Amino acid sequence: EVQLVQSGAEVKKPGESLRISCQGSGYSFTSYWITWVRQMPGKGLEWMGRIDPSDSYSNYNPSFQGHVTISADKSISTAYLEWRSLKASDTAIYYCARRGSGGTYATYYYMDVWGKGTTVTVSS
Amino acid sequence: DIQMTQSPSSLSASLGDRVTVTCRASQSISSYLNWYQQKPGKAPKLLIYAASSLQSGVPSRFSGSGSGTDFTLTISSLQPEDFGTYYCQQSYSTPRTFGQGTKVESK
Repeated sequence: EVQLVQSGAEVKKPGESLRISCQGSGYSFTSYWITWVRQMPGKGLEWMGRIDPSDSYSNYNPSFQGHVTISADKSISTAYLEWRSLKASDTAIYYCARRGSGGTYATYYYMDVWGKGTTVTVSS
Repeated sequence: DIQMTQSPSSLSASLGDRVTVTCRASQSISSYLNWYQQKPGKAPKLLIYAASSLQSGVPSRFSGSGSGTDFTLTISSLQPEDFGTYYCQQSYSTPRTFGQGTKVESK
């Protein structure tokens, strides 16, 4: 079964650091990019950035660049999302998703496999 | 960034109803448009990609249409498991952007 398994819920204080993880299984982890998506409480979905696990090339939404770091360890089929200094506004559910592709006359990209999400709560 | 605007933000419908959700992009995105369904407490699920291609395993009552800037998701006959929030997302350029969501509720 193709799946992405995310790490468990976290409760942190402002200023603390955090790394959450997303482990892929059931497919070739290095063949698909991994994307991270934020969902703040009661709000919609926001694309944060993505990484190619084969070479760890990443790109970010400018809204998140500089505040988070996306990385990957292909030897253990795991992608990471990391903060050096959390803020209360980082309280959200964070999803990782696999970037699939398809199409007949062009290549279309979409997020076809999703993790269950990691809830991050930042509060003093 | 490309802005995605969905309408309506919410709708009430009865079982068996035909439901239509609209998504508009701030610039042409060809057919680089995906639709997702999200139920409370769950991760999003891919329904439609490339504006009109049905993802494997998704019931045929779901369909998508459109190209350029205007897109539509249609549920031909609403079923109990279809209640939830629907999001469009463009895959034309980065950063990828989502619509604000359309919540489908029971009338």
